Amino acid sequence: EVQLVESGGGLVQPGGSLRLSCAASGFTFSSYWMSWVRQAPGKGLEWVANIKQDGSEKYYVDSVKGRFTISRDNAKNSLYLQMNSLRAEDTAVYYCARSRLYCSGGSCYPGYFDYWGQGTLVTVSS
Amino acid sequence: EIVLTQSPGTLSLSPGERATLSCRASQSVSSSYLAWYQQKPGQAPRLLIYGASSRATGIPDRFSGSGSGTDFTLTISRLEPEDFAVYYCQQYGSSLPLTFGGGTKVEIK
Repeated sequence: EVQLVESGGGLVQPGGSLRLSCAASGFTFSSYWMSWVRQAPGKGLEWVANIKQDGSEKYYVDSVKGRFTISRDNAKNSLYLQMNSLRAEDTAVYYCARSRLYCSGGSCYPGYFDYWGQGTLVTVSS
Repeated sequence: EIVLTQSPGTLSLSPGERATLSCRASQSVSSSYLAWYQQKPGQAPRLLIYGASSRATGIPDRFSGSGSGTDFTLTISRLEPEDFAVYYCQQYGSSLPLTFGGGTKVEIK
């Protein structure tokens, strides 16, 4: 059974930092792109970042570029999100999600999300 | 960036009725690379449909997806009590960012 378990959320002041973790099990972690998706309270879903199987490619939504860093440790079956210079608008539940690929023009890219963790709440407030 | 607009915002229906949810894209979604998710309060989203019309593993056949280009539809043929939830569409066939629609809430009438 595929399981994704996030941790590391909490209350942090504006300008502060936080590191989220996601422990994966039930599948070959090193074979999949992985992503972070967030959801502000009472709002919709927003893709934040994704990372290739070997960590060689990483992509971010514009609003977090330069502040957030996605990484992974395939030996530990773990995904991470280092969040720096946090702002009030970063307040959200952060979900770890497994990405499935779609292929076009001879290349494959991360597309939809077939498994999600339960999420961890990050609150940025003074 | 492709913007997805879902309508209606809220759909009030009774169990056993048919639900039709719309997702419209600001530009054509390449090769119908569109997914649908269901989210219940306090839970993570669950994948229902990918590739516009392919059901994910374990999804009942009362859920179906259709459409192409800029207009997509999720249909629930007969609503069961457990289907009352919020539904999101997501496109993944264009350049980043991956984007979601704003959601449609299906509530009990």
